[in-house]
Amino acid sequence: KAGVTQTPRYLIKTRGQQVTLSCSPISGHRSVSWYQQTPGQGLQFLFEYFSETQRNKGNFPGRFSGRQFSNSRSEMNVSTLELGDSALYLCASSLSGTGYSGANVLTFGAGSRLTVL
Amino acid sequence: KNQVEQSPQSLIILEGKNCTLQCNYTVSPFSNLRWYKQDTGRGPVSLTIMTFSENTKSNGRYTATLDADTKQSSLHITASQLSDSASYICVVSALTGGTSYGKLTFGQGTILTVHP
Repeated sequence: KAGVTQTPRYLIKTRGQQVTLSCSPISGHRSVSWYQQTPGQGLQFLFEYFSETQRNKGNFPGRFSGRQFSNSRSEMNVSTLELGDSALYLCASSLSGTGYSGANVLTFGAGSRLTVL
Repeated sequence: KNQVEQSPQSLIILEGKNCTLQCNYTVSPFSNLRWYKQDTGRGPVSLTIMTFSENTKSNGRYTATLDADTKQSSLHITASQLSDSASYICVVSALTGGTSYGKLTFGQGTILTVHP
């Protein structure tokens, strides 16, 4: 079965611009969560969506937002880009979400690498 | 503040040898602990997930242990292979509010390099 698909894989923006990243989860998965990965901070949780509702949010400023559509596809948006937003943005899908164990494995996409100049 | 600390930061071993990676956490209330393997340029891949009541879980040559009393976990890799070279990330999920919607806290990872 198809995995988690993230687009675009690479993009370059300049400070002040905004960017939208897309994530298509595994078919049947209702939870999509987003993460930022940088060499200095490692992986950090951004937010999780389940059935079109934001269910959990990490400690990021309001410039970072997201949404989920009825087909479970999700987008995240970063407005007013800063140099520090340069990172690999990963999304993961799962059946029930990040807080459950057992079979609720998070499957990650390959990521979208954002460079802010 | 919820924290996950991993040690060592990096490790170099010879192919065929065993190694153990450590993870200490202060996340509370605890929901579950996961180990992931991340190859360079790829997304993390799940190795194991353990809840409070589980103290050992294996996935092939990978064996994770959990001591919920001391809030420590380890990942043991047996008979290492060149393909084991990767970053290994410990992730702890906390229960939030009255439901199990987990907020994830990530360790910085241990970079393992396996030499022939």
